[in-house]
Amino acid sequence: GNSVTQMEGPVTLSEEAFLTINCTYTATGYPSLFWYVQYPGEGLQLLLKATKADDKGSNKGFEATYRKETTSFHLEKGSVQVSDSAVYFCALRGGSSNTGKLIFGQGTTLQVKP
Amino acid sequence: EPEVTQTPSHQVTQMGQEVILRCVPISNHLYFYWYRQILGQKVEFLVSFYNNEISEKSEIFDDQFSVERPDGSNFTLKIRSTKLEDSAMYFCASSSTQATNEKLFFGSGTQLSVL
Repeated sequence: GNSVTQMEGPVTLSEEAFLTINCTYTATGYPSLFWYVQYPGEGLQLLLKATKADDKGSNKGFEATYRKETTSFHLEKGSVQVSDSAVYFCALRGGSSNTGKLIFGQGTTLQVKP
Repeated sequence: EPEVTQTPSHQVTQMGQEVILRCVPISNHLYFYWYRQILGQKVEFLVSFYNNEISEKSEIFDDQFSVERPDGSNFTLKIRSTKLEDSAMYFCASSSTQATNEKLFFGSGTQLSVL
């Protein structure tokens, strides 16, 4: 079945450092890919998405490109802030066995220090 | 932006008791979901619901679990006889279509603690 794998955390960075969180997926067909973020004590919010190969999703300085050839959707940000400290979840929806559900990776905790 | 509302935000219960977690999805949405997140672990799919019936359920969603849309606005998750391992954050989500390019809207969750 469809699945998502993320890099292990936690990731600890200094403010203004470059961030990459790796995400790879397994799916048949053409799923859409998402990054959700969970700030401390809060629910899940959509950060960005990409719906087809080579699409780039972007929001709040974060970017991710849907790479079908490497089945990846890595999250990047050029200069992180303390306020970016959160748990980041890569997820997919759809593919040839689409039932509408979202499938999440295991989440990566990011801690940004001043 | 419209919101999915979940109540209560925290629920403490004794093992073996029944609990009902409540959700109000976004009003024009048709597809409803429950997920759970055990502390420090991934967000796991429990069940999806459409047109007043379960569309899909995971192996976690056994006979102890049930879902219901009792009226036009609420969507509930019932755990019949809670176990310690049911302690988790439970998220409700909704979407207007099953289209793969559409996001799910999540509530802020109910933290269930089973003692």
